[in-house]
Amino acid sequence: GAGVSQSPRYKVTKRGQDVALRCDPISGHVSLYWYRQALGQGPEFLTYFNYEAQQDKSGLPNDRFSAERPEGSISTLTIQRTEQRDSAMYRCASSLNGHSYEQYFGPGTRLTVT
Amino acid sequence: AQKVTQAQTEISVVEKEDVTLDCVYETRDTTYYLFWYKQPPSGELVFLIRRNSFDEQNEISGRYSWNFQKSTSSFNFTITASQVVDSAVYFCALSVAGYSTLTFGKGTMLLVSP
Repeated sequence: GAGVSQSPRYKVTKRGQDVALRCDPISGHVSLYWYRQALGQGPEFLTYFNYEAQQDKSGLPNDRFSAERPEGSISTLTIQRTEQRDSAMYRCASSLNGHSYEQYFGPGTRLTVT
Repeated sequence: AQKVTQAQTEISVVEKEDVTLDCVYETRDTTYYLFWYKQPPSGELVFLIRRNSFDEQNEISGRYSWNFQKSTSSFNFTITASQVVDSAVYFCALSVAGYSTLTFGKGTMLLVSP
């Protein structure tokens, strides 16, 4: 079956622009997670959803970052007024539910802010 | 707070050698889950295994085996008879009951040369 998909795979944007990153989870997966991975580091949690409800956004670095999952399926992570420090790999994962089942990751979006 | 330490930044072996990747975790929770993920050069994150804190039995899957020891808070991963295709970054991760997000270590890069 289809895995987690993310788009775009690569995004280059200029400082100050807004970007929207999309995640399409595995069909039927209740939970959806966003992580950010810097070069040479492990992924770091940003936020997660069960169905359409945002359960935890404690990992979002500041109020320029927001996420939504309006219909409990596709999710969008939006970064407003991008800065160079936002450059990273943004990874989305989904799991069957939120009870610490394994998370399956998408290919990621490599964001470069120039 | 949870913490995962992978002290080995990079390991180089020759094909057919056995190699063990170390993972030490910290948590105050009594119910938790441990994971290993593989990130090959292509960049995706591939789920390998999930263990819960109540099951200390070692697990073997083909050339892969995992040794979980609560007494030392370790969840080590051994690859027997390594192959070039095993070259990747390997991440150990932890989640706790009631909070399903993953805390990752910094990863260990494994280089297997022919």
